[in-house]
Amino acid sequence: QKEVEQDPGPLSVPEGAIVSLNCTYSNSAFQYFMWYRQYSRKGPELLMYTYSSGNKEDGRFTAQVDKSSKYISLFIRDSQPSDSATYLCAMSASSNTGKLIFGQGTTLQVKP
Amino acid sequence: NAGVTQTPKFQVLKTGQSMTLQCAQDMNHNSMYWYRQDPGMGLRLIYYSASEGTTDKGEVPNGYNVSRLNKREFSLRLESAAPSQTSVYFCASSAGYEQYFGPGTRLTVT
Repeated sequence: QKEVEQDPGPLSVPEGAIVSLNCTYSNSAFQYFMWYRQYSRKGPELLMYTYSSGNKEDGRFTAQVDKSSKYISLFIRDSQPSDSATYLCAMSASSNTGKLIFGQGTTLQVKP
Repeated sequence: NAGVTQTPKFQVLKTGQSMTLQCAQDMNHNSMYWYRQDPGMGLRLIYYSASEGTTDKGEVPNGYNVSRLNKREFSLRLESAAPSQTSVYFCASSAGYEQYFGPGTRLTVT
């Protein structure tokens, strides 16, 4: 079993929809949780960062962490075609993020 | 300010050939990383370097070697390429929790 599980999709939604992306993990030592966005044929870019449990909001994006369930989510409100990309969750047990563990990535397509 | 640069962008090798992937960053970051990305597998850490002069194995180090040449440069070497090493390779650097990625090298081993 992988340490971090993420449904690879693909996920296709109409423009304006609310998108929910999720990851589950098995290592209870993880405390630092990130979401990266990767456009086709590009390197990943950090989208959201959360420490421990709770919610964090940034514009149309909300990241949630539920450590009791070992479950993290990324919500995208009012989705746009420009949100079409692969979204990777990543997590670490240490603030020195040398050993980030990534999920498989979920490919999202937002149709106009 | 170029961020993280990688060369080459594309490469085709025959089984048994060797090559070095180059990576450089201009952000004065201490930490640098090499990942490979395969369909359905996400990003997997090959090697990382927490500071100049130090390197450590990641999740999938077999078949690879690295050199942290100086603070800016971190190279990845395949001594005898195998078809299982066909992948997209990403270099990254960080000064804290955020890792900055290069554009990737697409490597095919036939």
